[in-house]
Amino acid sequence: AQSVTQLDSQVPVFEEAPVELRCNYSSSVSVYLFWYVQYPNQGLQLLLKYLSGSTLVKGINGFEAEFNKSQTSFHLRKPSVHISDTAEYFCAVSGSGNTPLVFGKGTRLSVIA
Amino acid sequence: DAGVIQSPRHEVTEMGQEVTLRCKPISGHNSLFWYRQTMMRGLELLIYFNNNVPIDDSGMPEDRFSAKMPNASFSTLKIQPSEPRDSAVYFCASSFSRPEAFFGQGTRLTVV
Repeated sequence: AQSVTQLDSQVPVFEEAPVELRCNYSSSVSVYLFWYVQYPNQGLQLLLKYLSGSTLVKGINGFEAEFNKSQTSFHLRKPSVHISDTAEYFCAVSGSGNTPLVFGKGTRLSVIA
Repeated sequence: DAGVIQSPRHEVTEMGQEVTLRCKPISGHNSLFWYRQTMMRGLELLIYFNNNVPIDDSGMPEDRFSAKMPNASFSTLKIQPSEPRDSAVYFCASSFSRPEAFFGQGTRLTVV
């Protein structure tokens, strides 16, 4: 079985400061890893994904994440956040194509002006 | 591309009534997923289909919940009878032989 742990439920950060949202996963098979973002009253939007290859993946809106197999982590980072980055961020894992994503509980990022 | 389309966006119903949520996946996608989002439990998978066939419905909370996918372009999630604890946001997502899924805007269900 697969599981995802997002270590922080809420992360407040000042505008233009860097941010890291932490994600650890558990899986007995090779994994695919994802970060999704949810703005208020919206659906989930794919931010970035790791399927294979380079462990550093870049996504939309200036976000990036690094896959660390030894630490079973997939932390999300942004060097300088904007007010518009305020949202809920979800880390997810999948074992293969056509199998469902398993989500973490989410981290609420609040960017303070 | 219109994306995954869910209807209605909001539903308020009285306890005991039947509720039907609808989903149109992205054209060409062959997998469809129904998730429920609540504050307490986060995002939970209810059921998913591959090529219109239900694969895993172990996440469906009770027999009051049922889901169908009569063709590749339409799915329904039905709750009968509804209860206040069913209040949540229900998401439909679809994918095509790839691990990432594309989500609809969700249906916010309130059972009073």
